[in-house]
Amino acid sequence: GEDVEQSLFLSVREGDSSVINCTYTDSSSTYLYWYKQEPGAGLQLLTYIFSNMDMKQDQRLTVLLNKKDKHLSLRIADTQTGDSAIYFCAEKGFQKLVFGTGTRLLVSP
Amino acid sequence: DGGITQSPKYLFRKEGQNVTLSCEQNLNHDAMYWYRQDPGQGLRLIYYSQIVNDFQKGDIAEGYSVSREKKESFPLTVTSAQKNPTAFYLCASSSLATEAFFGQGTRLTVV
Repeated sequence: GEDVEQSLFLSVREGDSSVINCTYTDSSSTYLYWYKQEPGAGLQLLTYIFSNMDMKQDQRLTVLLNKKDKHLSLRIADTQTGDSAIYFCAEKGFQKLVFGTGTRLLVSP
Repeated sequence: DGGITQSPKYLFRKEGQNVTLSCEQNLNHDAMYWYRQDPGQGLRLIYYSQIVNDFQKGDIAEGYSVSREKKESFPLTVTSAQKNPTAFYLCASSSLATEAFFGQGTRLTVV
């Protein structure tokens, strides 16, 4: 079955780069997503990558996909205090949309 | 505006009551999902539906029920059989070719 894992916590200083990692198990996944959740709110889509791509860059965000190792990462360049939130990776297979446990990113000034 | 709407934002339930959470989308998406989020936890899938009049159980379906009579609507009923219903509930929709869009969530509290 599907299982998506993330580290629970990441702390960085403002201006540094943040790298959030995710591993997944469903090799049939067609899309892989990164979502951001601020306190008390729903999930906001940050970016996504098709399973046939290796990398996608979108302003400060870079997504890397290693299909062989089923590893996905999100790099946030020049991290700001406003980036503090929970970040979820998710995989979309044939039927289900499965989320990781979320990584809480804390950015200190 | 196109989007996905959950209501109410806050809901209080007495012990032994059934309550229904609403989820409506006007994005013409085929698939809809319900997730539960507990404090400091990730999202757990309750039910999902790929097409009208069809739905499947997710990982934690016990104590919940859903219907999918219309493409736009996927209401979730939290029954009295759900022993620990206090949580944040999130609804999402997607199509084969798009990412999933989320509502703003409903916070359910048992009083």
